[in-house]
Amino acid sequence: EAQVTQNPRYLITVTGKKLTVTCSQNMNHEYMSWYRQDPGLGLRQIYYSMNVEVTDKGDVPEGYKVSRKEKRNFPLILESPSPNQTSLYFCASSPGQGALGANVLTFGAGSRLTVL
Amino acid sequence: KNQVEQSPQSLIILEGKNCTLQCNYTVSPFSNLRWYKQDTGRGPVSLTIMTFSENTKSNGRYTATLDADTKQSSLHITASQLSDSASYICVVRERNTGNQFYFGTGTSLTVIP
Repeated sequence: EAQVTQNPRYLITVTGKKLTVTCSQNMNHEYMSWYRQDPGLGLRQIYYSMNVEVTDKGDVPEGYKVSRKEKRNFPLILESPSPNQTSLYFCASSPGQGALGANVLTFGAGSRLTVL
Repeated sequence: KNQVEQSPQSLIILEGKNCTLQCNYTVSPFSNLRWYKQDTGRGPVSLTIMTFSENTKSNGRYTATLDADTKQSSLHITASQLSDSASYICVVRERNTGNQFYFGTGTSLTVIP
């Protein structure tokens, strides 16, 4: 089944304890992206990647890191989490420009993170 | 600045009634516009896409319209069902750029019996 898989789905952690949220897609998509969703603010982009080894900042990149060493994986790293990073996080992927289906984003199920 | 604005922010309707959600955008150059449905706590799922040349597209009880001149789109839901309760997000793609997608903040729809 074509899908975007995020782990963990739920996580409670403490301030300053490094954590990684993994994202993997099995559709050979070139484009991958991370979003956070907070009440009243909608989906805001954190980082995106157009292809392997190509990443760029979105609207709210502060406090986050990403890497794209393989096409299928795009982990989100919080080096020193803070309470204001408590949020619902979504990973999404899409085929590259010009490819069939390039205009659709496939989202993961979400990862709910709480930082105490 | 490229922006996508949706209205209303929230909406409550009776089961069986129709409703219309609005999306205004300033994204240019425009490539396409897609509506997503997001159930609470889950990832958004695509409903329908509108390209520059399309005015209307239907997907079951969902009908999307696009006016590329005024940069407005609407999503009309007919004979609403309880399962339509969700957030509806308008996403616009910019043509010929790296970062492709611009999101509205969504309309939260609640259908009550």
